Amino acid sequence: VHLVESGGGLVQPGRSLRLSCTTSGFPFDDHALNWVRQAPGKGLEWVGFIRSKANGGTTDYAASVRGRFTISRDDSTNIAHLQMDSLKTEDTAVYFCAYDSSGYSYAFNYWGQGTLVTVSS
Amino acid sequence: DIVMTQSPDSLAVSLGERATINCKSSQSVLYSSNNKNYLCWYQQKPGQPPKLLIYWASTRASGVPDRFSGSGSGTDFTLTISSLQAEDVAVYYCQQYYSTPQRTFGQGTKVELK
Repeated sequence: VHLVESGGGLVQPGRSLRLSCTTSGFPFDDHALNWVRQAPGKGLEWVGFIRSKANGGTTDYAASVRGRFTISRDDSTNIAHLQMDSLKTEDTAVYFCAYDSSGYSYAFNYWGQGTLVTVSS
Repeated sequence: DIVMTQSPDSLAVSLGERATINCKSSQSVLYSSNNKNYLCWYQQKPGQPPKLLIYWASTRASGVPDRFSGSGSGTDFTLTISSLQAEDVAVYYCQQYYSTPQRTFGQGTKVELK
């Protein structure tokens, strides 16, 4: 099982950035995919997730990003995306994608290495 | 939102000694219909993603050494490392998944060597 995040970098406040989570080694289309972030030197914060298409493919988000972030998935390429708009300095963090192989998306037993997003002018 | 509060924020333990980390939730994470506590624990080392240690409050994840154990129910939980090894120096987080999809983490507990 592999999850690899990409797309991080330095971006100005108010701008947008799109992260990708490229996966392999598991039936991506059968599973929900989550995003979790960690500000420098801080704890973990769940950002949002996308259900499998079989479960509607719908999304849910933390209140801190709702309306600004959008998660999507492409089951043909086994990639999930996190579109981040109207970025704020407080969005600076390492962003991880993660999933629960049990299928219930409860406790995350697989994580990517993360990609750093820095929001600064 | 369910707030998770860990204690202590940090602790220093000698090699071979016991480490105990507490996690308290602002409301019960025990689901009465299946009698399961929707609580897990992670270990995170510097520069690495979190690693799942314990789920359902007391079930060890695959490959996790048996010196790690989880206990508790309802709102109060404990992660115990029975005999601390050097490789256990890390930050430990509890996380509730009772209010899935809205998951919340504790603030973390840093375990260091004394």
